Amino acid sequence: GAVVSQHPSWVICKSGTSVKIECRSLDFQATTMFWYRQFPKQSLMLMATSNEGSKATYEQGVEKDKFLINHASLTLSTLTVTSAHPEDSSFYICSVGRGGRNEQYFGPGTRLTVT
Amino acid sequence: AQKITQTQPGMFVQEKEAVTLDCTYDTSDQSYGLFWYKQPSSGEMIFLIYQGSYDEQNATEGRYSLNFQKARKSANLVISASQLGDSAMYFCAMRETGANNLFFGTGTRLTVIP
Repeated sequence: GAVVSQHPSWVICKSGTSVKIECRSLDFQATTMFWYRQFPKQSLMLMATSNEGSKATYEQGVEKDKFLINHASLTLSTLTVTSAHPEDSSFYICSVGRGGRNEQYFGPGTRLTVT
Repeated sequence: AQKITQTQPGMFVQEKEAVTLDCTYDTSDQSYGLFWYKQPSSGEMIFLIYQGSYDEQNATEGRYSLNFQKARKSANLVISASQLGDSAMYFCAMRETGANNLFFGTGTRLTVIP
């Protein structure tokens, strides 16, 4: 069964509104979760590392005030896209690393379309 | 410099034939991990195979095998007996020492022809 879930699987919102995406680790507690973004026909790019109980670590070029990350518990991280613009339309995928060599689990992704 | 390079934007293979998807990597770490993922049109990332930098043998998982050439810094994926369901994007990725996140290549779109 699924190890990581994401909700919603797709969302359409109007420009200027905010959208929250949830990432849940179903099988184990995760002190660290990762948020990736994938534009059409492109690769996955790491946006930020979500740390339970502390501030997220953002990659260079990612606006922390625009992409708010909250890792409130050991099984839940949320990504909020604030004041969304059409250029934020993308596929957002979270992942959970368990520390083992090949245990990197991805959620099913959330497709965001901003109109 | 790109950490992961996939030079084949697209590949075609006849059903039941084998195909090799290329991947080269760049790291100064001695300990690292290499991954291949399959991404069908639905978008989910499906883990296929893993190779550790210290693994002496090439990794195999069913029809998937990884041709690991450490000196050349290459980690090519070999899919044997291709099936129509293998048509998808394939991403090579690397995890470096002390990190849990992955660096991805640009991907290769594989199309299996009946």
